Amino acid sequence: GQSLEQPSEVTAVEGAIVQINCTYQTSGFYGLSWYQQHDGGAPTFLSYNALDGLEETGRFSSFLSRSDSYGYLLLQELQMKDSASYFCAALGSQGNLIFGKGTKLSVKP
Amino acid sequence: GAGVSQSPRYKVTKRGQDVALRCDPISGHVSLYWYRQALGQGPEFLTYFNYEAQQDKSGLPNDRFSAERPEGSISTLTIQRTEQRDSAMYRCASSLAVSGGARDEQFFGPGTRLTVL
Repeated sequence: GQSLEQPSEVTAVEGAIVQINCTYQTSGFYGLSWYQQHDGGAPTFLSYNALDGLEETGRFSSFLSRSDSYGYLLLQELQMKDSASYFCAALGSQGNLIFGKGTKLSVKP
Repeated sequence: GAGVSQSPRYKVTKRGQDVALRCDPISGHVSLYWYRQALGQGPEFLTYFNYEAQQDKSGLPNDRFSAERPEGSISTLTIQRTEQRDSAMYRCASSLAVSGGARDEQFFGPGTRLTVL
């Protein structure tokens, strides 16, 4: 089977750094993506890691370790607008994307 | 706007009726995906297409669900003999490259909220 595990909720304060972890079990694996979804909105793409290591895009960074079947999303200098759900998603060998259940991030002033 | 569009945005139907949900991907996008998303959950993969060819339909819950993309652009997800458990948000996404490509960023549409009474 295929599954992804991530924490259900995380709370942090403005200006802080938060890390959202994701472990995966998939039959065939090409890479790990991260998506952000605000309440009532559609998921939007944040990052994709095909290789081990850190990918940085502005305040957001994403990391992948294939040997550990593990990745994380790092959000720096948190802002109130970062309050949203964050999903890791594994790209499988069939070309489909399997999503985790999401982590609801609440940023407090 | 040049984003992914879906219609209708809301659909209320009676149990046993058939429904057809439409997705219009971003122009030129090769791959098109269908997901179902329950409240508070991540998108659940249903099926996807590269051009007009359906690549993987392993996520379709049962044979009441079908999808087509006859000309490699607009796609229709059809649910026959709807049941209350089919109530959910149905989302479509498209990506520029053939699925499995280097970046595979998917652009999601606003979804169709289906309610089966």
